Amino acid sequence: DTGVSQNPRHKITKRGQNVTFRCDPISEHNRLYWYRQTLGQGPEFLTYFQNEAQLEKSRLLSDRFSAERPKGSFSTLEIQRTEQGDSAMYLCARTGTGNTGELFFGEGSRLTVL
Amino acid sequence: GESVGLHLPTLSVQEGDNSIINCAYSNSASDYFIWYKQESGKGPQFIIDIRSNMDKRQGQRVTVLLNKTVKHLSLQIAATQPGDSAVYFCAENDGGFKTIFGAGTRLFVKA
Repeated sequence: DTGVSQNPRHKITKRGQNVTFRCDPISEHNRLYWYRQTLGQGPEFLTYFQNEAQLEKSRLLSDRFSAERPKGSFSTLEIQRTEQGDSAMYLCARTGTGNTGELFFGEGSRLTVL
Repeated sequence: GESVGLHLPTLSVQEGDNSIINCAYSNSASDYFIWYKQESGKGPQFIIDIRSNMDKRQGQRVTVLLNKTVKHLSLQIAATQPGDSAVYFCAENDGGFKTIFGAGTRLFVKA
């Protein structure tokens, strides 16, 4: 158990619909990251939070994507007007309580856009 | 997670042999390197890390080697077991808060 829970695990939607993924880390006292992973690729950084502050966003995160971390605990990633190219695994990760750079990943939310 | 790695570089080893997975990184400013293991349907899992002031670090059955001159990282797995079958990613960090992942290598362990 990595202490990161993600849901839904799978989401199938039609192009143009909005989807939201949720990430619940075990502790609010750490950084929280979102990554995207497509078939045959390594995870690509999307954004991260320190508490409730979103400190960095990748240029991969177009204006159709928005992430929040209200109260510095759970986080949501919303994709508006989904496109087929958004189909991917969306991974959430937290840092540990120590000062290491290790990331603890959830099992991901797989999005399929038809 | 999911069925990653259909087009990834592949390494096939016999059970009990040692495995060596290689990785080239591009950012000379990176000072922290990590190896992750990803099994089907799961997120990446931390294996071992190394800082740029070291050239070797050992864990349980795993060793990471860092050659900063040629910007090369390797992961050695001793006495490879079927449970080691997975996709392995190297990742780098330049001292900031963003970890960048490489493309990965799929390891097959033959019984």
